[in-house]
Amino acid sequence: SAVISQKPSRDICQRGTSLTIQCQVDSQVTMMFWYRQQPGQSLTLIATANQGSEATYESGFVIDKFPISRPNLTFSTLTVSNMSPEDSSIYLCSVKFGNSPLHFGNGTRLTVT
Amino acid sequence: QQPVQSPQAVILREGEDAVINCSSSKALYSVHWYRQKHGEAPVFLMILLKGGEQKGHEKISASFNEKKQQSSLYLTASQLSYSGTYFCGTESSSAGGTSYGKLTFGQGTILTVHP
Repeated sequence: SAVISQKPSRDICQRGTSLTIQCQVDSQVTMMFWYRQQPGQSLTLIATANQGSEATYESGFVIDKFPISRPNLTFSTLTVSNMSPEDSSIYLCSVKFGNSPLHFGNGTRLTVT
Repeated sequence: QQPVQSPQAVILREGEDAVINCSSSKALYSVHWYRQKHGEAPVFLMILLKGGEQKGHEKISASFNEKKQQSSLYLTASQLSYSGTYFCGTESSSAGGTSYGKLTFGQGTILTVHP
């Protein structure tokens, strides 16, 4: 299984600002995904981070709000833009190798005040 | 579409058994099961890839009925450490029978084990 390092682990931000979350994997991986988990809720897929091309966003998520970069096969960033208190969530980077399980980073706990 | 888990919550005494069900309206390529403790990331339990497959992991096992698009997680002789929220994640099949790779998670089942 991969070692996934996600930074920052937590942050408190003011509304209207942006936060960029980094995800570093210790091996090359084709499939990388960003999930959001709102308080007391399940995990919701934001987008699939595609290496060398634009991310594929799920219904309800747009690039202007959640821009994603994937410059290579081991690194990705998710930016939460123009934040509001409704963006307070845990954001999780995850990776998958073929038919292997989905492995998660430790998450970024974001609080927007 | 999100798979449906049942029950929403289970309360057990140590040593008791529980079953958590996961049902999808889509054709499935695989089902993944995870456990999440408060304030932590989800931890992988097991993956089921084939119809009718059943896997075991100590006292935790699971089955996958591909035709019914359902999976069940079986926890036997529960321990205090089993407490947490259990999620099933489903991977849908494409028309060609391959996987899209991404998982859609159920709403979760809260399991509480008391001494």
